[in-house]
Amino acid sequence: GQSLEQPSEVTAVEGAIVQINCTYQTSGFYGLSWYQQHDGGAPTFLSYNALDGLEETGRFSSFLSRSDSYGYLLLQELQMKDSASYFCAVRGSGGSYIPTFGRGTSLIVHP
Amino acid sequence: NAGVTQTPKFQVLKTGQSMTLQCAQDMNHNSMYWYRQDPGMGLRLIYYSASEGTTDKGEVPNGYNVSRLNKREFSLRLESAAPSQTSVYFCASSEDVPVGEQFFGPGTRLTVL
Repeated sequence: GQSLEQPSEVTAVEGAIVQINCTYQTSGFYGLSWYQQHDGGAPTFLSYNALDGLEETGRFSSFLSRSDSYGYLLLQELQMKDSASYFCAVRGSGGSYIPTFGRGTSLIVHP
Repeated sequence: NAGVTQTPKFQVLKTGQSMTLQCAQDMNHNSMYWYRQDPGMGLRLIYYSASEGTTDKGEVPNGYNVSRLNKREFSLRLESAAPSQTSVYFCASSEDVPVGEQFFGPGTRLTVL
């Protein structure tokens, strides 16, 4: 099977930079995704890394190291609206289509 | 485009009752998914449909059945609801099965008494 580990909670102040880490275990790897979910809302897609390196989309960046089975989401110039839960997810191994999500990191942004 | 729609938004059932959660997408996606989300547990896959006419079990399929009615619609049925099925249910779709990008519906909040 596969498993993902991410911190349960991260706090930061407005304007700061925060990094949310994700380590995974899977026998086959097809990419790491990140999703954002506000309280009471639906998850929304943020980014996808299939290859090593950094992908940048505005204030958000996502990094992947396949050799370390590790990735992170970097949020810059934090805003109050960034307070949400962030989930990493990997696709199943061996041709399986089962996506697996981490348990989520609650980001709290303070003024 | 409405994206992914789900009905109902809220539902309260008594133990043993049955119901069907409806999901539809208008993005012409091949793959559709049903997840449940419980506090502190993240999203767990119940069933998925890689393409029209196919369905497969996910991580937590017990107590559920699904139907891929056509390319647009994917329903989830609870035949005999149990309190352990109290959860928020999300439907999602993607062009194909890789995790790259899934689009989620607004969710159904189900309480089983």
